[in-house]
Amino acid sequence: QQQVKQSPQSLIVQKGGISIINCAYENTAFDYFPWYQQFPGKGPALLIAIRPDVSEKKEGRFTISFNKSAKQFSLHIMDSQPGDSATYFCAASGRGGGSNYKLTFGKGTLLTVNP
Amino acid sequence: NAGVTQTPKFQVLKTGQSMTLQCAQDMNHNSMYWYRQDPGMGLRLIYYSASEGTTDKGEVPNGYNVSRLNKREFSLRLESAAPSQTSVYFCASSEGRGGTYEQYFGPGTRLTVT
Repeated sequence: QQQVKQSPQSLIVQKGGISIINCAYENTAFDYFPWYQQFPGKGPALLIAIRPDVSEKKEGRFTISFNKSAKQFSLHIMDSQPGDSATYFCAASGRGGGSNYKLTFGKGTLLTVNP
Repeated sequence: NAGVTQTPKFQVLKTGQSMTLQCAQDMNHNSMYWYRQDPGMGLRLIYYSASEGTTDKGEVPNGYNVSRLNKREFSLRLESAAPSQTSVYFCASSEGRGGTYEQYFGPGTRLTVT
């Protein structure tokens, strides 16, 4: 059972454009939603994260939008740059016992920003 | 600070061979994790160690064993490698238990089983 569904699988954007990656989750116990960025040949690294008590979080050109009722969240990259070309993973975790507290990743989106 | 280090970087095994992937962190983190990354499958948790002396299964533990040697080191062992274990393996660590703590990943080990 895939608990975090991510789309699209790949995305090509022109320099200066807006990149949008979407994720949906099923587990209502999830209460922490990070995005990880992975460059080729490297391990993933935390980019930005949000908790459901806010609907939006912005850090520089990166924004997470969160819709609790729809159980969806998305990453927006404004003024996309070639250096943003990477694979992006959404993830979710929650409180409580069982598997909820572990980080569950989406399948990833390969972003290519053309110059 | 080296962060999270993994050895080896690359490895080719024949079916049935065994090997151990090594991971060490110098951030005094309590929790450590092993993931595998396959094309189109994202990152899947193999095993984790919430704290020194404890280990537990993740999503895809079959065919693997782990050892939390001490607070710094967490190894992953393949007893009898199979082609289905061809993957990129990442070790990660975090200050605390659970996904709300930022996880720091190593550079990965690319394993091919023929």
